[in-house]
Amino acid sequence: GAGVSQTPSNKVTEKGKYVELRCDPISGHTALYWYRQSLGQGPEFLIYFQGTGAADDSGLPNDRFFAVRPEGSVSTLKIQRTERGDSAVYLCASSRYTGKRETQYFGPGTRLLVL
Amino acid sequence: DAKTTQPNSMESNEEEPVHLPCNHSTISGTDYIHWYRQLPSQGPEYVIHGLTSNVNNRMASLAIAEDRKSSTLILHRATLRDAAVYYCIPNTGNQFYFGTGTSLTVIP
Repeated sequence: GAGVSQTPSNKVTEKGKYVELRCDPISGHTALYWYRQSLGQGPEFLIYFQGTGAADDSGLPNDRFFAVRPEGSVSTLKIQRTERGDSAVYLCASSRYTGKRETQYFGPGTRLLVL
Repeated sequence: DAKTTQPNSMESNEEEPVHLPCNHSTISGTDYIHWYRQLPSQGPEYVIHGLTSNVNNRMASLAIAEDRKSSTLILHRATLRDAAVYYCIPNTGNQFYFGTGTSLTVIP
């Protein structure tokens, strides 16, 4: 079946611009996660959704970052007034449910470069 | 959050077994231990997970210490396609906390 997809695969923008990154989870998965990965580091948690609501957004670095999942499926990560330090790979994952046994399935990521 | 300690890097010869260790001494009694790997320019990929008993699947085996403070991922015959960064992650039930993982190099 189809895995997690993310669009665009690459995004180049200028400092100060607004960007949106999209994630299409595996059909039927109730939980959706966003992570950010800087070069040479492991992925860092940003936010996760259970259904339509953000269950934990403690990883969002500041109020320039916001994410939505209005219908409990597709999610969009929004970054306002981008800064060069926002350059990273943004990863999305989904799981059937939340829980300690659950496997998260990751997409290929969106590579964001802020010039 | 359970902290993990893994070697930064390891090497293996092709077609030989590889044992990738992980220390997670602060893990709680109900956290499952998940292993993921990340190939270059790809998202992390699930490998295996377990709670107390050793586990086997088509990709690997997971050996969990009796006190659960450490585990070892075993690749029985390393191939060039196994070259990746391997992460062990105690799953607290919500987000994953990745460390820096172990970068595995497979030598032909």
